[in-house]
Amino acid sequence: TQLLEQSPQFLSIQEGENLTVYCNSSSVFSSLQWYRQEPGEGPVLLVTVVTGGEVKKLKRLTFQFGDARKDSSLHITAAQPGDTGLYLCAGARRGSGGSNYKLTFGKGTLLTVNP
Amino acid sequence: DAGVIQSPRHEVTEMGQEVTLRCKPISGHNSLFWYRQTMMRGLELLIYFNNNVPIDDSGMPEDRFSAKMPNASFSTLKIQPSEPRDSAVYFCASSPRPTRELNTEAFFGQGTRLTVV
Repeated sequence: TQLLEQSPQFLSIQEGENLTVYCNSSSVFSSLQWYRQEPGEGPVLLVTVVTGGEVKKLKRLTFQFGDARKDSSLHITAAQPGDTGLYLCAGARRGSGGSNYKLTFGKGTLLTVNP
Repeated sequence: DAGVIQSPRHEVTEMGQEVTLRCKPISGHNSLFWYRQTMMRGLELLIYFNNNVPIDDSGMPEDRFSAKMPNASFSTLKIQPSEPRDSAVYFCASSPRPTRELNTEAFFGQGTRLTVV
């Protein structure tokens, strides 16, 4: 079973449309990160949210951390072809040893923005 | 500044052969991670190091997998013997802070695409 479930798995939209993708879990995370991955490249960090209910904006991207720190959403306004990519959420929790944080990734939402 | 450097970018090998993937983290970074990415399972953490010391290898799938970090600027992930189900993209990532600190950003390399036939 996947610790972090992302939805939708695939999303294809037209340039100019708005969209929201989701990252859900039954577990509480100390923080949550969103990454974007382009074909043939590694993921690149977009944002980190730490506090329950926190909202962060990065130009046309709005990130929200759920009040209970179990879920998060990413909203893109007026999507552009350059937004195309795999959007991954990653939650940080302490590992079994208790002193180190481990980052667990969801499987991602593959977004295609058509011109 | 150079990012995380992985080699080779692509590797095709026959089942049963030994495969060694290499990683040079960003200079000055304290933590290093090895991940594996597949369509079925997404991005999975295999093992991570703090200051060259392995901290958690619970994600390593089998004894066929081993990882070393002999110094702060080099790490290897070895698979011996390789099997077709090991086919995936393997990523190395490094972080400027140790994993006992929260909000550690991971900087990823471009990955090694491994195909075992």
